[in-house]
Amino acid sequence: ETGVTQTPRHLVMGMTNKKSLKCEQHLGHNAMYWYKQSAKKPLELMFVYNFKEQTENNSVPSRFSPECPNSSHLFLHLHTLQPEDSALYLCASSQDPYSATNEKLFFGSGTQLSVL
Amino acid sequence: KQEVTQIPAALSVPEGENLVLNCSFTDSAIYNLQWFRQDPGKGLTSLLLIQSSQREQTSGRLNASLDKSSGRSTLYIAASQPGDSATYLCAVRRNNNDMRFGAGTRLTVKP
Repeated sequence: ETGVTQTPRHLVMGMTNKKSLKCEQHLGHNAMYWYKQSAKKPLELMFVYNFKEQTENNSVPSRFSPECPNSSHLFLHLHTLQPEDSALYLCASSQDPYSATNEKLFFGSGTQLSVL
Repeated sequence: KQEVTQIPAALSVPEGENLVLNCSFTDSAIYNLQWFRQDPGKGLTSLLLIQSSQREQTSGRLNASLDKSSGRSTLYIAASQPGDSATYLCAVRRNNNDMRFGAGTRLTVKP
């Protein structure tokens, strides 16, 4: 148990559906991240939130919409996805985004998303 | 642009063998390098983090080294066990939000 919890673990959705992924961290961290992991590709950073403010949007299509209501919760809202968006979506957190010595990443178990 | 490469992509060894996983990066201006383990369908677990000023870090049977000037890091696993079977990823951080991952090395340790 890393202290970062993601729900749901698995999600199957059609291209016209709207769904949300949830991430919660109990570590008192100030930064939260969304990563995408596709088969046989390196992890891709999608979004970063530092102290609830979005500081990174890595050219992610608008069909992915993040939300960070507080420093413990992070959501990824999904709508009109494409089959190529099928992947493992991982949430991570770190203590202090502005300190190179305190930013070891802690990951959740991920949500395996399948878009039909 | 920072590129991170891990070689080999897959490795299979008999139990008890010592092994080395390799990670190389193109931009030596890094803050730190981190090694992770990922089990199938799961998230990543941090194993070792090496700051840019450090040369190595050790945790149990694991030892990670960093040579910034040559853009290389190695993860040494001593006396491998079947439970070590997983994918091992390295990641380098260039600034606060820029962390680049390699594609990983899939390790299988046979009993």
